[in-house]
Amino acid sequence: GQSLEQPSEVTAVEGAIVQINCTYQTSGFYGLSWYQQHDGGAPTFLSYNALDGLEETGRFSSFLSRSDSYGYLLLQELQMKDSASYFCAVRDLDYGQNFVFGPGTRLSVLP
Amino acid sequence: ETGVTQSPTHLIKTRGQQVTLRCSSQSGHNTVSWYQQALGQGPQFIFQYYREEENGRGNFPPRFSGLQFPNYSSELNVNALELDDSALYLCASVDGGGGSYNEQFFGPGTRLTVL
Repeated sequence: GQSLEQPSEVTAVEGAIVQINCTYQTSGFYGLSWYQQHDGGAPTFLSYNALDGLEETGRFSSFLSRSDSYGYLLLQELQMKDSASYFCAVRDLDYGQNFVFGPGTRLSVLP
Repeated sequence: ETGVTQSPTHLIKTRGQQVTLRCSSQSGHNTVSWYQQALGQGPQFIFQYYREEENGRGNFPPRFSGLQFPNYSSELNVNALELDDSALYLCASVDGGGGSYNEQFFGPGTRLTVL
């Protein structure tokens, strides 16, 4: 089966840097995505890593180590609007290359 | 370009009833996935449709079924509703024909409450 683990909550202050970790177990790993979801809203795509290394998109970066079955999302220069839930999701060959989502990390950004 | 839309927004049903949820994919997207999201949890993959055929299914019982139409819109049907079916149901579309398959575009969801 598949399992993903993330911290349930993270708190940081405006302007800070925060890292949200994700570890996964799956037999058919194909790639790792990150999504942001504000309360009452739909998940929105942030990034996708298929290969090891760091992908940078503005203030957000995502990292993958396939040998360690581990990835993280790095958020820099935190803003109040970054307060949301963040989900890692594994693209899994055992699900027809569809995505299995983690339980989510609730990020609270304080002034 | 029209985004992903879902209807209805909210729905209240009683145990044992049947429900149909609808989703219109983003313009140009031929692949639709359905997810169930319980409160405080991550979305759980139900199934995906690509060009009107089921293309992958998660760990959901057969009473969860779906359809995709020639215009790529989709329906999720749930029979014999149970209390645990209460959740937000999300539809996501993606361009399965060569676009960025990895970037799913989610609709706003349908909040289903089973009493």
